[in-house]
Amino acid sequence: DTAVSQTPKYLVTQMGNDKSIKCEQNLGHDTMYWYKQDSKKFLKIMFSYNNKELIINETVPNRFSPKSPDKAHLNLHINSLELGDSAVYFCASSQTSYEQYFGPGTRLTVT
Amino acid sequence: QKEVEQDPGPLSVPEGAIVSLNCTYSNSAFQYFMWYRQYSRKGPELLMYTYSSGNKEDGRFTAQVDKSSKYISLFIRDSQPSDSATYLCAMHLGQGGSEKLVFGKGTKLTVNP
Repeated sequence: DTAVSQTPKYLVTQMGNDKSIKCEQNLGHDTMYWYKQDSKKFLKIMFSYNNKELIINETVPNRFSPKSPDKAHLNLHINSLELGDSAVYFCASSQTSYEQYFGPGTRLTVT
Repeated sequence: QKEVEQDPGPLSVPEGAIVSLNCTYSNSAFQYFMWYRQYSRKGPELLMYTYSSGNKEDGRFTAQVDKSSKYISLFIRDSQPSDSATYLCAMHLGQGGSEKLVFGKGTKLTVNP
């Protein structure tokens, strides 16, 4: 019974394309997040949503647009993909912000 | 100076060894201090969290926070090959809905049988 799930697990695409990653949590948490982990394993927050409302936007290029249709789902759409967008993207959820539960990650490769 | 500094290692120890993992930080506003474990090609999972200075023990794991030195540690006793993973420290910042975690770069640990 997966707590935080993401699809797809792997995404290989060409520069300039638009792609989406989906995230769902069944923990009943109010807050969801998107993180980016680069090739050096550095994990950095991109966005947080609380009950469908955007709370944190960490100076992410506006090619990245999160969307939360309800508090159990948080999707990430990326326009005009660039080589530097290649990374692992993690979704997370929490009820208390210091106890975050992460999904398995989506490995994005832009060629 | 980065907000959170963590030696990336890699760290390799024999089974049964005591492992010490450390992070330093610069922001006095951090209130909660977390350790996450990340196995290869998996998402991070929360191991422990501590509020303010002091020690917290959970089985073979002990988390230690020294706010006066801005230094946190994770000790693993009787390390096992299954402990081989990347360990990420994280610090909690903010309040009132705008909280976020700031992560260290992670230390890759290998426990050799």
